[in-house]
Amino acid sequence: GENVEQHPSTLSVQEGDSAVIKCTYSDSASNYFPWYKQELGKGPQLIIDIRSNVGEKKDQRIAVTLNKTAKHFSLHITETQPEDSAVYFCAASEGAGSYQLTFGKGTKLSVIP
Amino acid sequence: ETGVTQSPTHLIKTRGQQVTLRCSSQSGHNTVSWYQQALGQGPQFIFQYYREEENGRGNFPPRFSGLQFPNYSSELNVNALELDDSALYLCASSFRTGNTGELFFGEGSRLTVL
Repeated sequence: GENVEQHPSTLSVQEGDSAVIKCTYSDSASNYFPWYKQELGKGPQLIIDIRSNVGEKKDQRIAVTLNKTAKHFSLHITETQPEDSAVYFCAASEGAGSYQLTFGKGTKLSVIP
Repeated sequence: ETGVTQSPTHLIKTRGQQVTLRCSSQSGHNTVSWYQQALGQGPQFIFQYYREEENGRGNFPPRFSGLQFPNYSSELNVNALELDDSALYLCASSFRTGNTGELFFGEGSRLTVL
């Protein structure tokens, strides 16, 4: 089955700086890669996703890049704000229709004011 | 539109007991997935229900079972509880034919097995 590795496990940045979280996956059949944000006491919430026919996607301060050859994808957050502090999870699925996601172990992001 | 709601939010059981967790899907969604999230880990896929039938299962034993009802709400049942079953159980709903792939998670039910 699919295996997703995520790094780093913790990340501290100063407010206004950029944060980068990286993930690798094992199954070359995977073609859908979402990123979820989980705040304390809440369920994960989708923040951005990318499909295998796209190399990069951007939504305001958040961007995701995908390298299918190397089987890795990354989340980039620019101009970080204290409210960005949360745990971020990458995931991979064999297709958007299956909804069976394999998650990484998460990155705890702390944005220091 | 209402979001995904789960009950109970917290519960404590002893080893060997049985537990039932409940989930109400977001309005308009026809697919429900259940995930187990151990402390400090990412969610792990348990199974998915579509049109009241199990449609995909992760690496969990048969003592984990579920139901989906005609109104698309769902239950997760766990028999013969073990200490390692202590975790946050997340329900996620989605609309199967949608092309976004987005899962909408509830806030979870935190199960402690003593």
